[in-house]
Amino acid sequence: SQQGEEDPQALSIQEGENATMNCSYKTSINNLQWYRQNSGRGLVHLILIRSNEREKHSGRLRVTLDTSKKSSSLLITASRAADTASYFCATDPNTGGFKTIFGAGTRLFVKA
Amino acid sequence: EPEVTQTPSHQVTQMGQEVILRCVPISNHLYFYWYRQILGQKVEFLVSFYNNEISEKSEIFDDQFSVERPDGSNFTLKIRSTKLEDSAMYFCASSEERASYGYTFGSGTRLTVV
Repeated sequence: SQQGEEDPQALSIQEGENATMNCSYKTSINNLQWYRQNSGRGLVHLILIRSNEREKHSGRLRVTLDTSKKSSSLLITASRAADTASYFCATDPNTGGFKTIFGAGTRLFVKA
Repeated sequence: EPEVTQTPSHQVTQMGQEVILRCVPISNHLYFYWYRQILGQKVEFLVSFYNNEISEKSEIFDDQFSVERPDGSNFTLKIRSTKLEDSAMYFCASSEERASYGYTFGSGTRLTVV
């Protein structure tokens, strides 16, 4: 898979359920970020986890990072209809460069 | 909450015309970026800008593209001669440090080339 690939590509759940999205990457990284994008709108930064961190929380969001497996997961607990959006992971490769590489995203649909 | 502002929100242009997309980054940020997203596809890096010069650019960012920070507050992306395949959502972003804290993105400019 390419740097920053999410799975599943699409996820449909009931309101109140938890949603888990995964991201895999190939190169070593400085940090990994998760963004949300509502349809046709801009990207909203959700959370950043550094390469020396294993888990981070922000409200109903929980992000884990396993650098040995080059993977991350985003868990949204007690989902709401308003969480319906696309979620992207983005990696900041440890190459000394300036670009962040986005994955293709997971489209989450939360049914009320 | 500080915002990155992009104008216009939507621009339609004829193929071969020049377009300038405008961005006002967050005032104390030092790093500026342009990304684009073709409908339904990935967000792709175009260029990063620091200390009044391009710090990195992708293979997409060819001679038709240029960036400028003309007055210390605006950050512009110019496409000299637009092609149909330039139709996309263009996002400006800024960061305080080199992505150490993530980016703040603008809401984007939807460019439609006809």
